[in-house]
Amino acid sequence: GQNIDQPTEMTATEGAIVQINCTYQTSGFNGLFWYQQHAGEAPTFLSYNVLDGLEEKGRFSSFLSRSKGYSYLLLKELQMKDSASYLCASTDSNYQLIWGAGTKLIIKP
Amino acid sequence: GAVVSQHPSWVICKSGTSVKIECRSLDFQATTMFWYRQFPKQSLMLMATSNEGSKATYEQGVEKDKFLINHASLTLSTLTVTSAHPEDSSFYICSARGEGLAGIYEQYFGPGTRLTVT
Repeated sequence: GQNIDQPTEMTATEGAIVQINCTYQTSGFNGLFWYQQHAGEAPTFLSYNVLDGLEEKGRFSSFLSRSKGYSYLLLKELQMKDSASYLCASTDSNYQLIWGAGTKLIIKP
Repeated sequence: GAVVSQHPSWVICKSGTSVKIECRSLDFQATTMFWYRQFPKQSLMLMATSNEGSKATYEQGVEKDKFLINHASLTLSTLTVTSAHPEDSSFYICSARGEGLAGIYEQYFGPGTRLTVT
């Protein structure tokens, strides 16, 4: 079957680090995406992992372990503008996206 | 690069009327376009997938006669909500993927269209 799990909501402090986890069960897995979505807006692309390991892009990093069906998005030096929902999505053998429900990240001063 | 536009960004219509939403890829050829619906505080729900020049593939539970999708060219797809009802009020988002992009299997999203049916 196809299944994506991620926490519903997380809270962190401005300037701190937060890790958002995602586990997946996807037939014919072909990689994992992370998207950011601010309220009332469409998602924007953050990262794509298809090989095991950590991909770093500035303040954001994404990790993938294919054997464990696990990924995380790491956000460093949190800013208030990082308050958003973070969507994990795996791709199947047809490269169709299978979406998680999203993690709402709340940043407090 | 890889910009997707949607028009209109918001629309209010009366119950029973039809509304057309356009999705355009501005700087790449979108071989596949996706239409999503998102209700408040919920995740994206894929409605249908369309490939240029062929009929759309609808997800289970999505009425193809109510949500008409046309993907007549490599840069344009349209979603028409026919005989709209208040329960169709939602945020409709299109995305596109295509060849010639660095992330060939990445989906690029339009800004979304907020539909309110009164």
